[in-house]
This record gives sequence, structure tokens and C-alpha cells, in this order.
Amino acid sequence: DVKVTQSSRYLVKRTGEKVFLECVQDMDHENMFWYRQDPGLGLRLIYFSYDVKMKEKGDIPEGYSVSREKKERFSLILESASTNQTSMYLCASSLPQAAHEQYFGPGTRLTVT
Amino acid sequence: QQPVQSPQAVILREGEDAVINCSSSKALYSVHWYRQKHGEAPVFLMILLKGGEQKGHEKISASFNEKKQQSSLYLTASQLSYSGTYFCGTGGVNTGNQFYFGTGTSLTVIP
Repeated sequence: DVKVTQSSRYLVKRTGEKVFLECVQDMDHENMFWYRQDPGLGLRLIYFSYDVKMKEKGDIPEGYSVSREKKERFSLILESASTNQTSMYLCASSLPQAAHEQYFGPGTRLTVT
Repeated sequence: QQPVQSPQAVILREGEDAVINCSSSKALYSVHWYRQKHGEAPVFLMILLKGGEQKGHEKISASFNEKKQQSSLYLTASQLSYSGTYFCGTGGVNTGNQFYFGTGTSLTVIP
């Protein structure tokens, strides 16, 4: 079974703090994604990566950066957290030949106060 | 490019049927469907790659009308386990490797 794990289920941070969200997958997937999920807005892609050290902007990259130093790990970084970044963050991974079949982690609910 | 889903929410009794629609203002080259149960991660259900394609998954099936840029998910004889939020999505090579998910439809099945 594919397993995608995220470092925290719940996180509370203060405005201006630097925040790291970690994601690890154990199925040797090349593709990894970061989404945020907000009520009424569905899932929106922040960044994705198709290979180590490679990253591409998604639909809403502003205020975020990512790092992929190892194949199994994809990190989302909020350089200076703001209240409008309070959200559920979901990480996903997939194989390149079936990029649409994404395996999601349980999510991290981030609250920025 | 985010697809639009309707309805936003639906409540069914066990055994009833439901249809969830997904439409896009841009060309749809493929449509995929996910279900997210409350408090859990989204889970992939199916993908439709060609216009006119229909697929089934237990009592959940879907169709894809490429010309109308629409897809529909059909849930027949609904069970309690069908409750959750359903997302349609699109993306891949034809969208610059971007993926777009719809706004979601909350489905609640009651006894």
C-alpha cells in the first residue's frame, strides 16, 4: 500500500513565523504535489515536483516555496506565515505514467494566529 | 481553469440515486474523480480519458462529454459508505502538467 505521511495533523503558528510542512512517501513515486483545501474552494495546487530538486509552480504559489532534496520527501515552506494561509494542507504523490492517480496524505490543518 | 461542480451538497436516503456534475469553461482532455470521507485523505475513484467514455466502480459510474466539457458521476442505490465529498479534477500533459480540482460536492447518505 502506498503511504504518504505528513509531519503534523495540526499546527498552530503565529503571524510572521517560518513554517515547514513535511511530506514523505514510501512508494518511490517521482511526482509529488502540495495542495491547500478550503471550504467552497476545493483543492488548489500550490507546487509540484516531478523529480528531485525540480519544482514547478501550481495555481497559487504566492507566499510559499518548496524543497525536494530526496525523492521521497517534499517540503512546503511558508517563509512568513499570514492569517490567510490558515488552511488544510494536503500532500500527494503519483507515478509519472499515472500522474492523475494521486495518493494523498492525511493533511495538516494549519492555523495562523 | 478550476472545474465547477453541482450541486454543492446533497442529502440522500439509503437506496436513492444521485448525480454530481462537473463542468469546465476550458477544454477537458480527461476527467478524474476522487472521494474524500470526513477526516480522511481524498481517494482516487476513476479517470475518463475519452469523450463519450463511461466507467463504473461498484455502483458508482461516470460519463464524460468532451464536446460539452462536462462529466457526471452517478451513484446508484446509495449506501451509507458513500458519504463524503466528491471532487472532479482535470490535468496532466495537456494542461502543462498542472492539476485542477473542482469545488467539491458534499454527499450525505442517511438511513
